[in-house]
Amino acid sequence: DAGVIQSPRHEVTEMGQEVTLRCKPISGHDYLFWYRQTMMRGLELLIYFNNNVPIDDSGMPEDRFSAKMPNASFSTLKIQPSEPRDSAVYFCASSLTANSPLHFGNGTRLTVT
Amino acid sequence: QKEVEQNSGPLSVPEGAIASLNCTYSDRGSQSFFWYRQYSGKSPELIMSIYSNGDKEDGRFTAQLNKASQYVSLLIRDSQPSDSATYLCAVGMWPGSNTGKLIFGQGTTLQVKP
Repeated sequence: DAGVIQSPRHEVTEMGQEVTLRCKPISGHDYLFWYRQTMMRGLELLIYFNNNVPIDDSGMPEDRFSAKMPNASFSTLKIQPSEPRDSAVYFCASSLTANSPLHFGNGTRLTVT
Repeated sequence: QKEVEQNSGPLSVPEGAIASLNCTYSDRGSQSFFWYRQYSGKSPELIMSIYSNGDKEDGRFTAQLNKASQYVSLLIRDSQPSDSATYLCAVGMWPGSNTGKLIFGQGTTLQVKP
């Protein structure tokens, strides 16, 4: 299996622009997670899905952030409008079941200037 | 109180020594516990998972879980310079309304000196 695939690997954008991050989970995994990692706050859970349904989005920082999972093989995390404080590494991860370990993608390093 | 707490370190040990990494968590209902290793600029990779009280060994790694004390640890025997990384403790906080929620600690940076 190719593992969790994220794109792009790097994104540099200007404040106010829309940013879309993409994720393809491991086939057959029922859970998909979006995390954000910064030096100050560590790895923060933003939102997770079970069978394409958002279960908990309490970690989404503001209404500027939205996430979708239109099917079992694709998810997006969108930031509109982006701000410099959104600069971070965004990880997507998937797991087979509720108690299974997470498998992480390579992450998207976002820089908002 | 943070949900999952780790000492940020750095923890420095000489090559060949035992490194001991600790983690405490706040939710008594937690049922799954994981240790991930993250090299600089890379994504976290799973080292160990543990679900029951006691010890679980895998090669040079031993995970220890004590649910009564809400404490989980990772021991690395015969530490190697290649073990130098940040170690993340993750706790699965289910069952309940937030089933499937996996929370990470801040991570402990381990330095193994030759």
